[in-house]
Amino acid sequence: DAGITQSPRHKVTETGTPVTLRCHQTENHRYMYWYRQDPGHGLRLIHYSYGVKDTDKGEVSDGYSVSRSKTEDFLLTLESATSSQTSVYFCAIKGTANTEAFFGQGTRLTVV
Amino acid sequence: TQLLEQSPQFLSIQEGENLTVYCNSSSVFSSLQWYRQEPGEGPVLLVTVVTGGEVKKLKRLTFQFGDARKDSSLHITAAQPGDTGLYLCAGDYPGNQFYFGTGTSLTVIP
Repeated sequence: DAGITQSPRHKVTETGTPVTLRCHQTENHRYMYWYRQDPGHGLRLIHYSYGVKDTDKGEVSDGYSVSRSKTEDFLLTLESATSSQTSVYFCAIKGTANTEAFFGQGTRLTVV
Repeated sequence: TQLLEQSPQFLSIQEGENLTVYCNSSSVFSSLQWYRQEPGEGPVLLVTVVTGGEVKKLKRLTFQFGDARKDSSLHITAAQPGDTGLYLCAGDYPGNQFYFGTGTSLTVIP
């Protein structure tokens, strides 16, 4: 158990509203990641962080922003949600062996 | 464009059969991982392969990393219903990023 908690687990929101998803870890890992999972696409990297206030874009970052003000928290924000952002979002950390990722349980987001 | 392509995308087999899942890329990875995901849960790590040509066994599962570190395979012997799930490969990409394959959804029918 890598001590990763995502909140909320489920959310329904309206198009055009801002949404923030939270990822909390308890084990002081440096690297944290946000992925989205859609049928036929596997997991696609949105943004990642390599330390407090250090973040970078992944392959599908458009429409998303992130912040990491504390080691333990990594926030993903959809500034103005669109239906194409309906997905399951996973947070992950890089394990101590530096060759694997450990995941939270996911957040199912529906934009109507 | 996916860095990692998995095949097949879907696989439905009878209990007791053998199967192989493939993960291919044109990029070289420093390591490659295999994960298994069940509905409503996050992916869980099965194995990491690091050395080209490496073979690792986990009970009935055999994982192989290609000599050039661009591809990998997962072979399951005598599949059981408990093996049902989504199998994902992932590569450790420069810059401390993990890129995932498209996934293989396996159903083992009792």
